[in-house]
Amino acid sequence: AQSVTQLGSHVSVSEGALVLLRCNYSSSVPPYLFWYVQYPNQGLQLLLKYTSAATLVKGINGFEAEFKKSETSFHLTKPSAHMSDAAEYFCAVTYYNQGGKLIFGQGTELSVKP
Amino acid sequence: EAGVAQSPRYKIIEKRQSVAFWCNPISGHATLYWYQQILGQGPKLLIQFQNNGVVDDSQLPKDRFSAERLKGVDSTLKIQPAKLEDSAVYLCASSTRDRGTNEQFFGPGTRLTVL
Repeated sequence: AQSVTQLGSHVSVSEGALVLLRCNYSSSVPPYLFWYVQYPNQGLQLLLKYTSAATLVKGINGFEAEFKKSETSFHLTKPSAHMSDAAEYFCAVTYYNQGGKLIFGQGTELSVKP
Repeated sequence: EAGVAQSPRYKIIEKRQSVAFWCNPISGHATLYWYQQILGQGPKLLIQFQNNGVVDDSQLPKDRFSAERLKGVDSTLKIQPAKLEDSAVYLCASSTRDRGTNEQFFGPGTRLTVL
């Protein structure tokens, strides 16, 4: 079955430190991959997406992710965390024949310490 | 450009009562999605519309949930009767078309609490 796994439900980093949020997908067909961010009491906002072009994808707010087919991974990184990055992050996957239906991971809550 | 609008933002009901949620997608977006987000989990698709037709409702509990998108614009999701396990945030999203490469834009959600 197609699925997404996010390793670590909670990640805590210090301000200025590297942010690394892990995402692995399970599929036998080429995926389209997304990272969304959710602030408290708000909807989801797209950070970046991979749709079979460049494997290193740059998004908003300094985030980027690299698609690694051999590892079935799409980890999200940011070189230097900011207090405003504290939020819930969701990795999601869909496929060309799924009509846009997104399958989400369980989410990772990012805390940023001053 | 106005975003996806949802109302109400919060709703508290008792079990076995009925409730309805409303969504107005971004103008011109043909595809509309309803997701259920239970606390501590990622969103799960309930139903997908393309214009006013249902594309996917395989995960919609049809014995109690219903949804419609009259005229292919705004949409209503109804629960009747509600159960305790229906407590969740209900998110509406829209996109220009039903392709995996198209970005989905999410509304703020309706937080439902069933007592």
